[in-house]
Amino acid sequence: KAGVTQTPRYLIKTRGQQVTLSCSPISGHRSVSWYQQTPGQGLQFLFEYFSETQRNKGNFPGRFSGRQFSNSRSEMNVSTLELGDSALYLCASSLEGQAVTDTQYFGPGTRLTVL
Amino acid sequence: LAKTTQPISMDSYEGQEVNITCSHNNIATNDYITWYQQFPSQGPRFIIQGYKTKVTNEVASLFIPADRKSSTLSLPRVSLSDTAVYYCLVGDEGGKLIFGQGTELSVKP
Repeated sequence: KAGVTQTPRYLIKTRGQQVTLSCSPISGHRSVSWYQQTPGQGLQFLFEYFSETQRNKGNFPGRFSGRQFSNSRSEMNVSTLELGDSALYLCASSLEGQAVTDTQYFGPGTRLTVL
Repeated sequence: LAKTTQPISMDSYEGQEVNITCSHNNIATNDYITWYQQFPSQGPRFIIQGYKTKVTNEVASLFIPADRKSSTLSLPRVSLSDTAVYYCLVGDEGGKLIFGQGTELSVKP
């Protein structure tokens, strides 16, 4: 089976712009979670989607949003980019049900740099 | 909100056993404890998962005491390729996923 894929792998944007990141989960997986990883804050949970519904959300401002499509593919969007949004954005998929108990499989991440 | 605490870094030599402990208060009652390994420029990779007592697979063991307020990842006979950052992951009663800050393991020859 193919693993979790994320596109693009690298992205450079300027402050104030918006960005959309894409994640394709492992075939058959219905849950997709997003994380932000920075040297200072480590891995932080953004949100989880299951069957096109946001099931859980971390403590991030409303500029961070996401969605999931009927084929389980997911996108996350960050509007009005700030310098502090520079990070590695990771997507993880799991079979179904609770992400806290399912094994999550991570993609390689999208490295976002905001100038 | 659950909070996890791990040592920032650890050093070891090839062939030694390494134990990394994660403290996690307010872990959700029904939640599992999961450990991940991450190499530079890659996403975290699943190592092992458990609920209580001891779990063992082909790469590691996981020890969880009865109160489940901590867990210890045990890597037997580490090699240079085990040099990586190791994270514990738990969920809190609110369903949020909490990663530890990560333990940077350095294995020396």
